Amino acid sequence: DVVMTQSPLSLPVTLGQPASISCRSSQSLVYSDGNTYLNWFQQRPGQSPRRLIYKVSNRDSGVPDRFSGSGSGTDFTLKISRVEAEDVGVYYCMQGTHWPPFTFGQGTRLEIK
Amino acid sequence: EVQLVESGGVVVQPGGSLRLSCAASGFTFDDYTMHWVRQAPGKGLEWVSLISWDGGSTYYADSVKGRFTISRDNSKNSLYLQMNSLRTEDTALYYCAKDGYGGNWLDYWGQGTLVTVSS
Repeated sequence: DVVMTQSPLSLPVTLGQPASISCRSSQSLVYSDGNTYLNWFQQRPGQSPRRLIYKVSNRDSGVPDRFSGSGSGTDFTLKISRVEAEDVGVYYCMQGTHWPPFTFGQGTRLEIK
Repeated sequence: EVQLVESGGVVVQPGGSLRLSCAASGFTFDDYTMHWVRQAPGKGLEWVSLISWDGGSTYYADSVKGRFTISRDNSKNSLYLQMNSLRTEDTALYYCAKDGYGGNWLDYWGQGTLVTVSS
């Protein structure tokens, strides 16, 4: 199984400041069709997960443009350009290249300092 | 608007059985693969199972293989998870989620239904 490793696991950020979360996979996530199936999800307190980013860098409809995804191969990053209060929650990366199983990172808890 | 509404979560004894349901609306249900994903209390996300659009292909996490069965009824826009031989470690919030087209995994999620396995 592909292991997804996120860092940091806890991320205190000042409002208005940028934030960055790293996600590394135990093997390349490039699929034979040339796509890289790496998603990012946000889970606000008490809510179900919401997808933010798919295939590394594609933002879902309604996701603010302060969220961006980048990376390739085994190294990926989710960036928030200016953190807002509504961004508090846990962020997960997930790979959908080598399945089953689909595998998630451990989660990164973003909090406001 | 896409809606996924799970139901069926209860408290059940170890070794017991349970069937979860997920009612889908707001999209053409039989066009898409569907998943179950779970989250133990205070823990991260764990993928459980996937079913193809027509129910012809199913896949499971090793942790549930042989005990859980995913199915769907496209005439009822419904997804199911039959859970047998339940263990305490199956205690979790169970989410159903849909895919988009072409590897567009897990684009919408329901609110989840809580399964507690306890004596």
